[in-house]
Amino acid sequence: EVQLVESGGGLVQPGGSLRLSCAASGFSFSSYWMSWVRQAPGKGLEWVANIKQDGSEKYYVDSVKGRFTISRDNAKNSLYLQMDSLRAEDTAVYYCARLTVAAGGTWWLGPWGQGTLVTVSS
Amino acid sequence: DIQMTQSPSSLSASVGDRVTITCRASQSISSYLNWYQQTPGKAPKPLIYAASSLHSGVPSRFSGSGSGTDFTLTISSLQPEDFATYYCQHSHSTPYTFGQGTKLEIK
Repeated sequence: EVQLVESGGGLVQPGGSLRLSCAASGFSFSSYWMSWVRQAPGKGLEWVANIKQDGSEKYYVDSVKGRFTISRDNAKNSLYLQMDSLRAEDTAVYYCARLTVAAGGTWWLGPWGQGTLVTVSS
Repeated sequence: DIQMTQSPSSLSASVGDRVTITCRASQSISSYLNWYQQTPGKAPKPLIYAASSLHSGVPSRFSGSGSGTDFTLTISSLQPEDFATYYCQHSHSTPYTFGQGTKLEIK
């Protein structure tokens, strides 16, 4: 069974840092792009970042560029999101998701982990 | 950046109804369009990719259509488990934005 389990969320003060982890199992982790998506309380979904299989390509939404870093350790089947200079507007549930590429270059996200809550507040 | 606009934002319907949700892109995205379903407290689940391809395990009452800038998600006969929030997302170019969501409620 494909499984993604996030961890590392919690309460952090504005300006602080947090590192999220996503443990993958049930599939060949090193063969897939991976993503982080977040959802502020009561709000919609926001794509945050993608990372290529070997980590050589990374893409971010503008609002986190220069503050967040996506990375992976294929030997540990793990995805990470290092979040620095956190702001109140970063408060959200953060999901990791597997990115599956289809013919023609289109792709979708699935499955998703259960999410981990990050709260940025003093 | 490509903006994704869903309509309506919320919708009340009954079991057995046929419902359609629309997603419009601010510029052409060909068929690079996905639909997801999210129930309260749960992670989203993929429904449709490439505008009209049904994800494995998704019931055939779900269908998607469209290309370019205008897309639709149709549920042919609503079941109790379909009352949820639906999101479109494009996979055309970064940033891969989602629509604001459509909450489907029981009438």
